Amino acid sequence: AQSVTQPDIHITVSEGASLELRCNYSYGATPYLFWYVQSPGQGLQLLLKYFSGDTLVQGIKGFEAEFKRSQSSFNLRKPSVHWSDAAEYFCAPGASGGYNKLIFGAGTRLAVHP
Amino acid sequence: KAGVTQTPRYLIKTRGQQVTLSCSPISGHRSVSWYQQTPGQGLQFLFEYFSETQRNKGNFPGRFSGRQFSNSRSEMNVSTLELGDSALYLCASRPTSVTDTQYFGPGTRLTVL
Repeated sequence: AQSVTQPDIHITVSEGASLELRCNYSYGATPYLFWYVQSPGQGLQLLLKYFSGDTLVQGIKGFEAEFKRSQSSFNLRKPSVHWSDAAEYFCAPGASGGYNKLIFGAGTRLAVHP
Repeated sequence: KAGVTQTPRYLIKTRGQQVTLSCSPISGHRSVSWYQQTPGQGLQFLFEYFSETQRNKGNFPGRFSGRQFSNSRSEMNVSTLELGDSALYLCASRPTSVTDTQYFGPGTRLTVL
């Protein structure tokens, strides 16, 4: 069965510091992968997605992610974090056989210190 | 284009009651999915509708049901509410292709007392 792991439940960084959020997946084939962000009390906003091609994907708000097949990872990065990036981040591979079904990781809650 | 809208945004019910939540997808989107978000279980897929047909279903009891209308608007219904049904219910829509992105609404916060 497909699964996704976000090992870090909480991360705290200082404003201006770099950020990397980890995501590992278990899949039978190359998945398509998404990162979403959720601010308190809000729905989910897509940051970026990977379907095929270039393994380094650029997203909104200065985020990027790199698909590494050999490590089954799709880590999210940002070179310089802003206070407004404080939110919860979800990695979500698409499920085979039901392409509209996303399997979400547990999420990583990001806090940003001024 | 307007985004995905969900009504109501907040709802309080008591155990044993039933509830209906509504989702209006982005114009032109034919697929609607529903997710439940709770602190303990995280985000879990409920079901997906495409062209008025349920195409995919998650692992939830039969008390959870849904439907989609010809204009792609969707409703989900939960009967015989339990305390554990308290959650944020999110609706997402996408056009048609399997590679299309899902766009999420703001959710309906259901509290069961």
